[in-house]
Amino acid sequence: EAAVTQSPRNKVTVTGGNVTLSCRQTNSHNYMYWYRQDTGHGLRLIHYSYGAGNLQIGDVPDGYKATRTTQEDFFLLLELASPSQTSLYFCASSDRGDNERLFFGHGTKLSVL
Amino acid sequence: GDQVEQSPSALSLHEGTDSALRCNFTTTMRSVQWFRQNSRGSLISLFYLASGTKENGRLKSAFDSKERRYSTLHIRDAQLEDSGTYFCAAEAYNNRIFFGDGTQLVVKP
Repeated sequence: EAAVTQSPRNKVTVTGGNVTLSCRQTNSHNYMYWYRQDTGHGLRLIHYSYGAGNLQIGDVPDGYKATRTTQEDFFLLLELASPSQTSLYFCASSDRGDNERLFFGHGTKLSVL
Repeated sequence: GDQVEQSPSALSLHEGTDSALRCNFTTTMRSVQWFRQNSRGSLISLFYLASGTKENGRLKSAFDSKERRYSTLHIRDAQLEDSGTYFCAAEAYNNRIFFGDGTQLVVKP
């Protein structure tokens, strides 16, 4: 089973704060994704990447940057956090071969006060 | 989501009963994946289908192989531990993945 590890599990920051969420996958998947989940919505795609150094814009990218430093590591950056970014964040990976199953991390709960 | 309509949005069942969840897609999709989100927030993959049906215990999922515009998840003999929020995620032929807004399932004794 693919392993996707997110850190931290919980984070509290203040408006204007700088936050980095980390994600590591250990199954050599080429695609990695960052989603946010809010009450009343399914998961919404923020950014994704299909390899080290690559970044693609998702559906709700405003206020977020991301960086894929290696095949294993994908970071989500909030440089000026706002209360509207309080959410549950999920990282996922997939192997875009014959089987495009998504494998999710356990999520990071972010609160921006 | 706009591309995926999931129904019902909420469902309450008694133990031992059967239910069906559905996702309709506004366009043909390449594949569909079903998840259950538990009380801790973890997303547990239930099924991944590119066509046809799959079954695992009391759960069975189908993906319309002809027009590829809907998928269903059947729960047989519901148990308390089936409670949670169920999501479908469909992959379009442009490789984008779209999530439904979820079905909140409560199983009562």
